[in-house]
Amino acid sequence: DIVMTQSPDSLAVSLGERATINCKSSQSVLYSSDNKNYLAWYQQKPGQPPKMLIHWASTRESGVPDRFSGSGSGTDFTLTISSLQAEDVAIYYCQHYYSNPYTFGQGTKLEIK
Amino acid sequence: QVQLQESGPGLVKPSETLSLTCTVSSGSISNYYWSWIRQPAGKGLEWLGFISYSGSTNYNPSLKSRVTVSVDTSNNQFSLKLSSVTAADTAVYYCARQYCSSGSCYPYFDSWGQGTLVTVSS
Repeated sequence: DIVMTQSPDSLAVSLGERATINCKSSQSVLYSSDNKNYLAWYQQKPGQPPKMLIHWASTRESGVPDRFSGSGSGTDFTLTISSLQAEDVAIYYCQHYYSNPYTFGQGTKLEIK
Repeated sequence: QVQLQESGPGLVKPSETLSLTCTVSSGSISNYYWSWIRQPAGKGLEWLGFISYSGSTNYNPSLKSRVTVSVDTSNNQFSLKLSSVTAADTAVYYCARQYCSSGSCYPYFDSWGQGTLVTVSS
């Protein structure tokens, strides 16, 4: 199984400041045949299901604000929120879809400082 | 905008079978793949398995012997059965749609149900 490890486990950032969440996979999720990273990011607010933010490591889902961006390749990935808004308080998860089982990171809790 | 709604018993006895149904509305179940994902209280997410609109399945090996996912295209529903449950199976269970484009489907999830809490207890 590919193990997804996120860091940090929790993060407190001031409004308007940048938030950075890291995700590391235990093996590469870059598929050589199409040169795509099989990595997605989700946001989960309390009492709600996860919401997909980014897929293919850096492609923003339609309707997701452009302050959210994803980067990285191979085994190391980053979700960046360029200017934190109050509504961004949530738990963020990365997920690979490279091979079965499709596993998630343990989550990063983002709060306002 | 497709909508998904889980339904089923909220309480299941140990050793029995957990059964849930996901009803898809405002969209067809055809041409997509459909997954079940669960989340124990205060914990992370675990993918359980998926089914295609044509009925082909793929399960998490850690649960493969206990999980069955089926589809009922005539009613726009798909279902989960998890056998021999224990307290460790207590979780919020989500149904979700997998992303599909140009005939290719990938196991990441662009639409989710609200989730249903299933408690395993005698």
